[in-house]
Amino acid sequence: EPEVTQTPSHQVTQMGQEVILRCVPISNHLYFYWYRQILGQKVEFLVSFYNNEISEKSEIFDDQFSVERPDGSNFTLKIRSTKLEDSAMYFCASSVGGGYYEQYFGPGTRLTVT
Amino acid sequence: DQQVKQNSPSLSVQEGRISILNCDYTNSMFDYFLWYKKYPAEGPTFLISISSIKDKNEDGRFTVFLNKSAKHLSLHIVPSQPGDSAVYFCAASAVGGGSEKLVFGKGTKLTVNP
Repeated sequence: EPEVTQTPSHQVTQMGQEVILRCVPISNHLYFYWYRQILGQKVEFLVSFYNNEISEKSEIFDDQFSVERPDGSNFTLKIRSTKLEDSAMYFCASSVGGGYYEQYFGPGTRLTVT
Repeated sequence: DQQVKQNSPSLSVQEGRISILNCDYTNSMFDYFLWYKKYPAEGPTFLISISSIKDKNEDGRFTVFLNKSAKHLSLHIVPSQPGDSAVYFCAASAVGGGSEKLVFGKGTKLTVNP
């Protein structure tokens, strides 16, 4: 069964460093998302991406964050200058369409900022 | 911001019995609702969804009921199995309002005892 994959599974970085989290969505999916879950808190939406453009973003997704689909398979989330409060599980998700379609999530990348 | 609420942090049931997980929402723009299951150190796994034009959707052992007037939905698992033990998240989106972002509840930890 097709699934969303994410690398790395765990990333440790120092405050102020740049990190890139990578995702390979399900191959025939056209809509891509990033969510995060800070320990003990809800899963929260960061950004949605369709047709090589951001379609929606949350207040969390400020200028320190960017997303890119550099080729036909990868979808990346970059954090330019990490802060301690960026420590969280980051989940990539994809769906076959926008609207009334379920989103399928990857296993997550645990980001630890020290 | 508690647009989606799961008021029971945990639920324990016996194998073979029914599990009922509840979810309330406040945003009347929500028109698409999903349930996800999550094991530790994994991403959310899609279970079942329902759009606001329906009041019930069934898939095998899983049934979701939607009461729009009460802004309440529930997930029924019958019969419950030990492998169902996980954290269950309710999520909602306002697709008709042009948003695909999922807004999650805090989750309910289900334990199914053999």
